[in-house]
Amino acid sequence: AQSVSQHNHHVILSEAASLELGCNYSYGGTVNLFWYVQYPGQHLQLLLKYFSGDPLVKGIKGFEAEFIKSKFSFNLRKPSVQWSDTAEYFCAVIPNNAGNMLTFGGGTRLMVKP
Amino acid sequence: DAGVTQSPTHLIKTRGQHVTLRCSPISGHKSVSWYQQVLGQGPQFIFQYYEKEERGRGNFPDRFSARQFPNYSSELNVNALLLGDSALYLCASTQDILAPGDTQYFGPGTRLTVL
Repeated sequence: AQSVSQHNHHVILSEAASLELGCNYSYGGTVNLFWYVQYPGQHLQLLLKYFSGDPLVKGIKGFEAEFIKSKFSFNLRKPSVQWSDTAEYFCAVIPNNAGNMLTFGGGTRLMVKP
Repeated sequence: DAGVTQSPTHLIKTRGQHVTLRCSPISGHKSVSWYQQVLGQGPQFIFQYYEKEERGRGNFPDRFSARQFPNYSSELNVNALLLGDSALYLCASTQDILAPGDTQYFGPGTRLTVL
């Protein structure tokens, strides 16, 4: 079955540490890729998205993600995390023939220790 | 500007009952999608509506239905509730037609508990 996998369910980091969250998908064709974040008590909100062009995408709050087509991956990175980055992060995919129906991964819960 | 609003915030039902969840999209947005988020999992797509027509349906049983009204608000209905329907139900609105480029804006969700 087509799916989105996030390998790390829980990540704990200290402030200023670097972050990389993995995301892999199993769709074979063209895809549109997203990272959403859900801060405690808040709505899901878009961090960044990739449709085409430069595979390195920059988003809000210093986050970036790199699309590696050969690895079916779209990993999220941040060079130096802050306590305020504590949240749950979701990778999502729209295959090009699926309108804008998002398929989400299971999420990664990030805790940043002050 | 108000974001996506959903009502009620929380709901407790018993097995076999029916529930109706409501969503108002961002002003000017014409497309509404519904997602189910079971605790500890990512959201799963249920339905998408655009201009009052169903444009997409996820892998959910016929107990789940939805509609969109002329003012673009939407209702999600679930019949014959099961314990497994307990989840956070999210509504997302998009400005226009089904282009992947349109950002989906999510509401706060309705927490449904089925006892």
